Amino acid sequence: EIVLTQSPGTLSVSPGERATLSCRASQSINSNYFAWYQQRPGQAPRLLIYTASSRVPGIPDRFSGSGSGTNFTLSVSRLEPDDYAVYYCHQSWRSPQTFGQGTKVEIK
Amino acid sequence: QLQLQESGPGLVKPSETLSLTCTVSGDSITSSSHYWGWIRQPPLKGLEWIGNIYYTGTTDYSPPLRSRVTISVDTSKNQFSLRLASVTAADTALYFCARQVVGGDYGDWGQGLLVTVSS
Repeated sequence: EIVLTQSPGTLSVSPGERATLSCRASQSINSNYFAWYQQRPGQAPRLLIYTASSRVPGIPDRFSGSGSGTNFTLSVSRLEPDDYAVYYCHQSWRSPQTFGQGTKVEIK
Repeated sequence: QLQLQESGPGLVKPSETLSLTCTVSGDSITSSSHYWGWIRQPPLKGLEWIGNIYYTGTTDYSPPLRSRVTISVDTSKNQFSLRLASVTAADTALYFCARQVVGGDYGDWGQGLLVTVSS
């Protein structure tokens, strides 16, 4: 099983600042099978980034994904109130599919 | 516009079988481009992948749950279902159904259904 480890567990960021979230995999992942999701309280997860760096239509360009192999990053610039949420990484390269444990972005 | 809606009992007794259905509207469940999956989230915890199914009936399950889980598809009703046997309190969670691009991401999710296991 590919274990995805997200860091940090909680990230405190001021509005307007930048958040950088990390996801490390226990083995190499084909980037085409890597995604990021946002989950706001009381809501279902929402796909933000697919194939590691492709932004879903309608997602602001403040969100960007990068990385390959075992190291992936989600960056959120100019944080807005709606951005404070929990973010999950996900791999579907190898079965079983796995999610990271999540990074909570909170207001500093 | 695609919609997925989970339905089923919100309360299940320990040792019984949890049964949920996801009704798909706005797309055919026989789409060759998609899998249909179940993901759950225990209270205050992260996402756990349960498994998915292709319209042909091919399934893939999470190893820790494999002995207890069955995912099936009903193409005539455009639905797919989850059965989880011998539940315990550890199975209490918010259960989501979702559509997955073949070999990719979960782009569309249901709103989720809270299932509590308790006597």
